[in-house]
Amino acid sequence: NAGVTQTPKFQVLKTGQSMTLQCAQDMNHNSMYWYRQDPGMGLRLIYYSASEGTTDKGEVPNGYNVSRLNKREFSLRLESAAPSQTSVYFCASSDRGEQPQHFGDGTRLSIL
Amino acid sequence: EDKVVQSPLSLVVHEGDTVTLNCSYEVTNFRSLLWYKQEKKAPTFLFMLTSSGIEKKSGRLSSILDKKELFSILNITATQTGDSAIYLCAVVQGGSEKLVFGKGTKLTVNP
Repeated sequence: NAGVTQTPKFQVLKTGQSMTLQCAQDMNHNSMYWYRQDPGMGLRLIYYSASEGTTDKGEVPNGYNVSRLNKREFSLRLESAAPSQTSVYFCASSDRGEQPQHFGDGTRLSIL
Repeated sequence: EDKVVQSPLSLVVHEGDTVTLNCSYEVTNFRSLLWYKQEKKAPTFLFMLTSSGIEKKSGRLSSILDKKELFSILNITATQTGDSAIYLCAVVQGGSEKLVFGKGTKLTVNP
C-alpha cells in the first residue's frame, strides 16, 4: 500500500524553465493538497482540491498552477521557475478536510 | 489573519527527560487541532484534538487541547533519541478544507 507517491524526489532547474510535480494517492481520498516547506517556515499551503474537478488557492499560490486530473492524481506546475521557488514540496491527501492528512515523501526542488 | 504559533522553536534535551511543546492559535471558526512528527521526510500524524480537556495518549506521547485559552500541548515523557524530529501543530478551520500550520518545534534528544 503506497499511500501518497510523489515524483520526482529531486530536481534541479534553471530560472525560467517549467516543471510539473506529480502526486498520486491510492487511498480513495477526496481531498488533495500541495505544500511547500522552507527552513523555519513550517508548511505553507499552495493549492488544494476538495474533490475531483475543483481546485482552490491556498496561502502562497503565485507562480504555480494545479490540475486535479482524476480522483487519484493532483499535479503542481511551475510555468517559469524562479529561485524563490527553491523549496521542498509536499503533496498530501485526506478523506475530508477535517480528517488527518497523509503526506508524500516530498520533492526537493532547486532553482538556479 | 489566522495563525498558529509554536514554542519553543527548538529544544535540546537528554534521553530520559520529559518535554512539553506548546501550540497556540488564532483561527476563525476552529474545528480541530492536529499534531504531526516530521523526521527526514514526510510528516506523520500523531493526534487530532477536537474537544477541550480530553487527553489523547499514545505510549509516551500525550496531548491536550484548551479551547477556552486557544492552545494545545504535546508532552513526551522519558524521551529517546528516536524522538528527535520536528513537531508540527496544525489547525483545521470549520467549513474549510485547509490546515494552517505552525512553524514547528525542532526537538533534539541527546544520548
